Amino acid sequence: EVQLVQSGAEVKKPGESLKISCKGSGYSFTSYWIGWVRQMPGKGLEWMGIIYPGDSDTRYSPSFQGQVTISADKSISTAYLQWSSLKASDTAMYYCARHGGTLDYWGQGTLVTVSS
Amino acid sequence: NFMLTQPHSVSESPGKTVTISCTGSSGSIASNYVQWYQQRPGSAPTTVIYEDNQRPSGVPDRFSGSIDSSSNSASLTISGLKTEDEADYYCQSYDSSGPWVFGGGTKLTVL
Repeated sequence: EVQLVQSGAEVKKPGESLKISCKGSGYSFTSYWIGWVRQMPGKGLEWMGIIYPGDSDTRYSPSFQGQVTISADKSISTAYLQWSSLKASDTAMYYCARHGGTLDYWGQGTLVTVSS
Repeated sequence: NFMLTQPHSVSESPGKTVTISCTGSSGSIASNYVQWYQQRPGSAPTTVIYEDNQRPSGVPDRFSGSIDSSSNSASLTISGLKTEDEADYYCQSYDSSGPWVFGGGTKLTVL
């Protein structure tokens, strides 16, 4: 069974750093792109970027380029999304999803709350 | 930047048919595949249509997708509406420069 399991909810202060994770299982992790999607409170889905764990090829949406870093460790089948300095506007639910033509499997989401 | 525009909300009665549109801002929407996702409150999205008109296994055939090149739009049609279909629906396609793009989402109310 294909599963993407994300790390738990985080509460951070503005200016702090954060790295959230997405662990894949039940399929060849290095053979599918993994994407990250943001959903701000009460808002729609926003595609942030993708990574191919097989060679770490990474693409970013222009809206998120320079704001976040996407990485992966294929040895432990885990993708990451990280921030070096969080802002209150980063408060959102973040989903990882496998790119299998469509976003065919999704993680359960990680809620990130940034508040002073 | 390429954008996909959806109606903010639609509503229809159980048993009826509803169509949700998704209009591309530029280029030809037929040039790249369109996907549709359903998101129920408190849950992650799931795919109901991929590659314009394909249904994943487990999605009932009440869900169908189509492309209309003349209006540069994609449509998701749900027939025989059930209360369980009440959710947010998002279309998704690609910008010619590569990034994936989501529509703003449509809230479907079945009442």
